[in-house]
Amino acid sequence: DTAVSQTPKYLVTQMGNDKSIKCEQNLGHDTMYWYKQDSKKFLKIMFSYNNKELIINETVPNRFSPKSPDKAHLNLHINSLELGDSAVYFCASSQGPWAGRPYEQYFGPGTRLTVT
Amino acid sequence: QQQVKQSPQSLIVQKGGISIINCAYENTAFDYFPWYQQFPGKGPALLIAIRPDVSEKKEGRFTISFNKSAKQFSLHIMDSQPGDSATYFCAALSFGNEKLTFGTGTRLTIIP
Repeated sequence: DTAVSQTPKYLVTQMGNDKSIKCEQNLGHDTMYWYKQDSKKFLKIMFSYNNKELIINETVPNRFSPKSPDKAHLNLHINSLELGDSAVYFCASSQGPWAGRPYEQYFGPGTRLTVT
Repeated sequence: QQQVKQSPQSLIVQKGGISIINCAYENTAFDYFPWYQQFPGKGPALLIAIRPDVSEKKEGRFTISFNKSAKQFSLHIMDSQPGDSATYFCAALSFGNEKLTFGTGTRLTIIP
């Protein structure tokens, strides 16, 4: 019954490698997000997609590329990984403030990425 | 530039006491102010939220106080319990782009 799921939960890789994190939501939401939480616990939005269309693209290196094959999935691909990419990455989803119910962004359990 | 400032960074409260976390924002375009609770190894989860046309919202032991003119809002946790020990984030959002801007977080520890 997981609402927002991410795989893998842990990812350890070496500098220079390319990796992907997958996210799926079964809530029927139209909008999905990627957030990065750094070692100081600071949470910052990276991207958002609404119905497979990119809505928010924060100042993120272009080594990070989100891909939304359908509105239930939003994957994050990272090329040429660097030490500074080590963080916890959270996927989230929401229905939108016009849905007629209280607004909420639901977060996944996170993927802890460690680059060595 | 930190658009949502949160204090304190950490807070220790005795069981049964009141925990208070404060936030201030700059952007008057924000129109939704949630508080998220995060336990170690978990994703943030919505605790309580308020819109700027309301000065206070209470849900159980959790209350948000909102001061629109001062651009400040705070979370009060009454009768704090050890199970409340977590990191709390205030946030602000404009419904125009659904972009959540988070505060820096407060690590709350409730001691017996």
